[in-house]
Amino acid sequence: SQTIHQWPATLVQPVGSPLSLECTVEGTSNPNLYWYRQAAGRGLQLLFYSVGIGQISSEVPQNLSASRPQDRQFILSSKKLLLSDSGFYLCAWSVRFRATNEKLFFGSGTQLSVL
Amino acid sequence: LAKTTQPISMDSYEGQEVNITCSHNNIATNDYITWYQQFPSQGPRFIIQGYKTKVTNEVASLFIPADRKSSTLSLPRVSLSDTAVYYCLVGDYNAGGTSYGKLTFGQGTILTVHP
Repeated sequence: SQTIHQWPATLVQPVGSPLSLECTVEGTSNPNLYWYRQAAGRGLQLLFYSVGIGQISSEVPQNLSASRPQDRQFILSSKKLLLSDSGFYLCAWSVRFRATNEKLFFGSGTQLSVL
Repeated sequence: LAKTTQPISMDSYEGQEVNITCSHNNIATNDYITWYQQFPSQGPRFIIQGYKTKVTNEVASLFIPADRKSSTLSLPRVSLSDTAVYYCLVGDYNAGGTSYGKLTFGQGTILTVHP
């Protein structure tokens, strides 16, 4: 069966520090991969999505970046965190070959607090 | 760009049937409609997906009219544990009908079930 791992679960970082969140998927090949962010009490904001290794689409221009060094690995990074980067970060994957029938499967999330 | 509109919040009581409607006027021919449930500090969880008419599973039913410009998630006999945020999601595709894998959430509907 497929599983998605996301870590860490919680993170407290000072303003200006770097960030690296990692997500890996097991049990499937060529997944679509996503990073979402959710501010407190708000909906999910799509940050990045990837349909293949090295293929990253950015939805929100900001100080965050994403990389996909391997087929089932998705990394969210920042060189210098801002206060506004605080939020609940979720990684997700979907089956790639049936584009019209995609179902998202989410990780357990990372609660990031930038102080 | 297929966008969705849902009520911000709904209240219900245990044992009642709850219907949450989502509007998606610009839905594309190949788009499926998918509903997710999210509890606090967790990633959304897939509930149900459909293309037209009616779909039913062990958790919910999904009603989609012929024009597909809206859909209704029906939760039979809700309990306190159904208190959550419910999201309606429609795929986003380019003019050629090829998915970029871009799946965007709306603000969702906060359902509160009272004793």
